[in-house]
Amino acid sequence: GAVVSQHPSRVICKSGTSVKIECRSLDFQATTMFWYRQFPKQSLMLMATSNEGSKATYEQGVEKDKFLINHASLTLSTLTVTSAHPEDSSFYICSASPGPAAEQYFGPGTRLTVT
Amino acid sequence: QKEVEQNSGPLSVPEGAIASLNCTYSDRGSQSFFWYRQYSGKSPELIMFIYSNGDKEDGRFTAQLNKASQYVSLLIRDSQPSDSATYLCAVSHGSARQLTFGSGTQLTVLP
Repeated sequence: GAVVSQHPSRVICKSGTSVKIECRSLDFQATTMFWYRQFPKQSLMLMATSNEGSKATYEQGVEKDKFLINHASLTLSTLTVTSAHPEDSSFYICSASPGPAAEQYFGPGTRLTVT
Repeated sequence: QKEVEQNSGPLSVPEGAIASLNCTYSDRGSQSFFWYRQYSGKSPELIMFIYSNGDKEDGRFTAQLNKASQYVSLLIRDSQPSDSATYLCAVSHGSARQLTFGSGTQLTVLP
């Protein structure tokens, strides 16, 4: 159990375009989902926390107008990178939690390359 | 600033030996502590979590927590080449149990 999927697994886009990444909890309802970013040779950095039906909470330094997060249902959250630039190229990973005191289950990640 | 510190390594141990990974954290309000393993190009996978002071064992893995010293460790017994990966220490805090990750320790188990 506790499977989280992400789509796409890999995406290449041109600078200035937008990219949407989906995160789904397949066998449980996720009251909270988290979005992380990981640059090469670095650790995961939390970008934002999203709760179903409410606005996401962004970490300091993360532009909410650039990284749009929608958590429309208990099994789906989306991250849209708007007007992507090469410096946005990174490994984006989501995680989902069935409750506030439960552990997080990670998706397989999405590798974004902006050319 | 909530910080989680790990020795980046690389740490090399021979097959069959005990690998010891260490982590310190700055926020005394931290509630739960996690060890994740991450293979290159993959997302993290949970190995163990610990909430209370003391030791917690799961197979070849033992997590140790000392809240007074703000220190958590992971011991891997009978290390195998397949254990070669980056090990991430993570600490949860806040009402939503956000995770703060350390920079990771790269472990290589030599056959």
